Amino acid sequence: NAGVMQNPRHLVRRRGQEARLRCSPMKGHSHVYWYRQLPEEGLKFMVYLQKENIIDESGMPKERFSAEFPKEGPSILRIQQVVRGDSAAYFCASSPGDRRYEETQYFGPGTRLLVL
Amino acid sequence: AQSVTQLDSQVPVFEEAPVELRCNYSSSVSVYLFWYVQYPNQGLQLLLKYLSGSTLVKGINGFEAEFNKSQTSFHLRKPSVHISDTAEYFCAVSDRRGGSYIPTFGRGTSLIVHP
Repeated sequence: NAGVMQNPRHLVRRRGQEARLRCSPMKGHSHVYWYRQLPEEGLKFMVYLQKENIIDESGMPKERFSAEFPKEGPSILRIQQVVRGDSAAYFCASSPGDRRYEETQYFGPGTRLLVL
Repeated sequence: AQSVTQLDSQVPVFEEAPVELRCNYSSSVSVYLFWYVQYPNQGLQLLLKYLSGSTLVKGINGFEAEFNKSQTSFHLRKPSVHISDTAEYFCAVSDRRGGSYIPTFGRGTSLIVHP
């Protein structure tokens, strides 16, 4: 029973390039959440998605960042024209979606993005 | 808006000593509370959660936490720590708000267990 999978685990990009981070939720989970963790800081919520829908993107920067969770395939967090400040660990979490307020989120191992 | 304060950024302790990691939250409505642990270069794992009922919650690896509504706290404790408990610990709170469930995380407490 595989957990939440994220790939790549490490990603190096030069300024101006695009970064694509993938997240496959646990089997049976229909809700996906993306978080960013900067050094010495906690997790900051970015976006909450269900299949084919963005439910809450209040934590997502207005420019350059986008997320999707298609009907088939993993959820994708896309960062266009990366800058050094985008360097961080990006975590994906999933949940079943059947008990909204109290359900546990299961986290992936994260993708560590380094922008040179 | 809800917020979570973890009062200590770093807690050094000797092996087999007791430890308490503090967490306070602010929320005007009923809350659900969580503690997660993050080992180096890994994702977060759930240690324990409080949803309702008994205010003393027992989790994995010998950890427990007590929900104190009057003090809006949810401190994490372990009576005797092990070297392997060295990790980052995050407190999180979610509440009944709007139509979605988005937990708010504290900044984390780094537990450092010395031999």
